[in-house]
This record gives sequence, structure tokens and C-alpha cells, in this order.
Amino acid sequence: AQRVTQVQSTGSSQWGEVTLDCSYETSEYSYLILWYRQLFSGEMVFLIYQPSFDTQNQRSGHYSVVFQKSFKSISLVISASQPEDSGTYFCALSELSGYGNEKITFGAGTKLTIKP
Amino acid sequence: EAGVTQSPRYAVLQEGQAVSFWCDPISGHDTLYWYQQPRDQGPQLLVYFRDEAVIDNSQLPSDRFSAVRPKGTNSTLKIQSAKQGDTATYLCASSFPWGGAYEQYFGPGTRLTVL
Repeated sequence: AQRVTQVQSTGSSQWGEVTLDCSYETSEYSYLILWYRQLFSGEMVFLIYQPSFDTQNQRSGHYSVVFQKSFKSISLVISASQPEDSGTYFCALSELSGYGNEKITFGAGTKLTIKP
Repeated sequence: EAGVTQSPRYAVLQEGQAVSFWCDPISGHDTLYWYQQPRDQGPQLLVYFRDEAVIDNSQLPSDRFSAVRPKGTNSTLKIQSAKQGDTATYLCASSFPWGGAYEQYFGPGTRLTVL
């Protein structure tokens, strides 16, 4: 069964590096781990993804991940954080199926507060 | 290019009432998803379509929930006889053909409160 677990909330100060942790359960060999941010409007915005087969940690803008496949854990790292980075961040798992990676299982989200 | 649009943005019902949510995906996206997001939880997939066909509705409470996408474009999610436990935000998302999970584009959602 798929399961994704996240810390409920965390905080940091402006310009600091923030790490959001995520652990997951899957019995599949091929999968994606995705990170989304939910805006105050409710819209989910895709940030970055890590394929299970890729040993290289992915980077996108000021987001990067630290992928520890053997521990089934992944962290989202936000560099030079700003107050506008505050919000709820979701870790999600997508297992490869016959239709590709279409179904996503989300964690409960981590509420991040960045103080000026 | 217009994003995924949903209406209404908010709905307040008494238990036992029915409600419908409407979603217009991004033009050219063949796959459409409906998610339920209870407060302080992550979105949970209810059903998804490729064109007009249901691919997976295993998490859709079939006794009170129904979803259709008759022409493979817009979609309607309906709740018959709503319960307080249905209080949540209902998100619609769409993706390109074989776009993969990370290429799902989400709408702003419909926030439902059942009193």
C-alpha cells in the first residue's frame, strides 16, 4: 500500500535554508516522488520531482531534493528562503502503472512559516 | 492560456442536499482528475478520466457520488444527499496525453461545507 508521511509544521527565518522531510511506503521498484506547494487560493503548484531510478538529486530554481532511496525518504530543500515561501508543502508518491505515472498519493502536508 | 477552471468556488449545504461541481480542463488535456481534500489533509484521488472514459473510480463513494465527462472535455462531480463528512475542498486537475503525474495542472478548487 502507498503511504506518505510528513511533519505537520516547521519554521525558519528569512534567507535561511529550509529542509522539509518526507517518508513514504511503496512496494514498487519504479516511482516518482513529487513536491507541490498549495497557494492560499487552494491551487496546487508543482515544484520538483525525483524519479526512483535516478541517483542524482534533482534541482529546480531554489528548490532541490535529497533522496535517500534505501531509507524511503526524501527532503525538499529551499535555499535562501523568503517570507513569501510560507505555505503548505505536499510530498506525493506516484507509482508507475500501465498508464504511466498518473495516480498520485499525497502526504498531509507541512505548513512552513518563514519569518522576516 | 487559460488554466483549469472550477465552479462554484464555494458551496454551503444542509445534510441531505445535493450539489454539483463543474470543471473545465486546459484545452488539449485528455486526462482529468477529481480530488477530495479534507481540512489539514492532502488531496485524495476520487476518480479520473481519459477522454470520456473512467480509468479509475475505486475511491469514489458510489452510493452518493457520481462523476461524468460526456464529451471528453468538461466534467461534473455530483454529491447526492451530502453528509457532514463530505466537508472538504474538491480539486480538479488535468494533464496532457501520457503527461505523467508531475504534469497535472490543478484548478483552485470548490470549498464545500455541509452543515
